[in-house]
Amino acid sequence: NAGVMQNPRHLVRRRGQEARLRCSPMKGHSHVYWYRQLPEEGLKFMVYLQKENIIDESGMPKERFSAEFPKEGPSILRIQQVVRGDSAAYFCASSPSAVNEQFFGPGTRLTVL
Amino acid sequence: SQQGEEDPQALSIQEGENATMNCSYKTSINNLQWYRQNSGRGLVHLILIRSNEREKHSGRLRVTLDTSKKSSSLLITASRAADTASYFCATAYNAGNMLTFGGGTRLMVKP
Repeated sequence: NAGVMQNPRHLVRRRGQEARLRCSPMKGHSHVYWYRQLPEEGLKFMVYLQKENIIDESGMPKERFSAEFPKEGPSILRIQQVVRGDSAAYFCASSPSAVNEQFFGPGTRLTVL
Repeated sequence: SQQGEEDPQALSIQEGENATMNCSYKTSINNLQWYRQNSGRGLVHLILIRSNEREKHSGRLRVTLDTSKKSSSLLITASRAADTASYFCATAYNAGNMLTFGGGTRLMVKP
């Protein structure tokens, strides 16, 4: 059973461009969580999704950020018009239910020039 | 402010010694999880302890939970150089099980 997959692992964007981060959960996991980690800090929750539904997006900035988890395919975290402050590591985690441990992917390190 | 706070922020020990890291939190929780992160890498899940549990073991790891004090501790026995990493506690406190992470303890085990 492959673990949580994220791609790309590294992403460089110029200010104003769009960043698309992908997450494929573990097989059988329908709960997906996105977190952001700034250098030397812990992870901060962004958004929680189940198939086709956003359950909680309380940690996601109201503008420029969006997330989806379609019926088929990976979960996508989309950042429009990126700014330097968006530079961070973005981690996706999946879980088979809302009461079990979360398994994390390797992360996507976004650098905004 | 963060739900979970680790203490100490940094810990340096010799190989073979035990390492103890503490975590405090503020609100009632469903469960508390400990993760390890090597520099520049993803998180590895270590242990999940539920709010009705007091202690759990996994290999050289021992986790305790005191809900009355809203605190947890992670003990790594007989540490190895390979245990060098950052250790995070994360609390899940609502129905969605979203995790709130502390700032981590950076552990260095010297050979």
